[in-house]
Amino acid sequence: EAGVAQSPRYKIIEKRQSVAFWCNPISGHATLYWYQQILGQGPKLLIQFQNNGVVDDSQLPKDRFSAERLKGVDSTLKIQPAKLEDSAVYLCASSLEWSSGNTIYFGEGSWLTVV
Amino acid sequence: KQEVTQIPAALSVPEGENLVLNCSFTDSAIYNLQWFRQDPGKGLTSLLLIQSSQREQTSGRLNASLDKSSGRSTLYIAASQPGDSATYLCAVPDQTGANNLFFGTGTRLTVIP
Repeated sequence: EAGVAQSPRYKIIEKRQSVAFWCNPISGHATLYWYQQILGQGPKLLIQFQNNGVVDDSQLPKDRFSAERLKGVDSTLKIQPAKLEDSAVYLCASSLEWSSGNTIYFGEGSWLTVV
Repeated sequence: KQEVTQIPAALSVPEGENLVLNCSFTDSAIYNLQWFRQDPGKGLTSLLLIQSSQREQTSGRLNASLDKSSGRSTLYIAASQPGDSATYLCAVPDQTGANNLFFGTGTRLTVIP
């Protein structure tokens, strides 16, 4: 079974530039998550989708971050304009359903460095 | 807001030792608790999930316990191996019942051959 796919794996941009990350979840998984993991910290949820609807985006900095999941499959996370503190790993994950207890499968992450 | 803490932040042990990793959380009204493993440059892999009604869960050499009333969980690794070297994170979902996980900062384990 194919896992969660993410691209690009690595990206270096200058501050105030924009960047986009793409995620393809495991086939059949209705729920998709984007987490931000800053070096030395645990992941923090940015946004959770159920199919193409948003379940939770309370921790998404909406002035610069946006995410969409058109057609309820692939998802894109965009940052515009980027700040130095956005340097982190952006982890995409998916699970069968949105409710607690469903095993979450993570991708390998997209590493962002903002200089 | 739920806060999850893990100590120690880093741990080095010789191969073959048994070890315990600790996790504490501030709000005991949790649905479950999960332990994850993260290898350098990789994503997270779920190791064990303990439901709120359970006291412990076992998988091979791993045993996780949960004490909701005290807000604590431990991950016990028996007969450690160099391949166990990784960062171990615990996580609990938020109180809405959704799968929004709050993670600890992790314990970085090194098993020395």
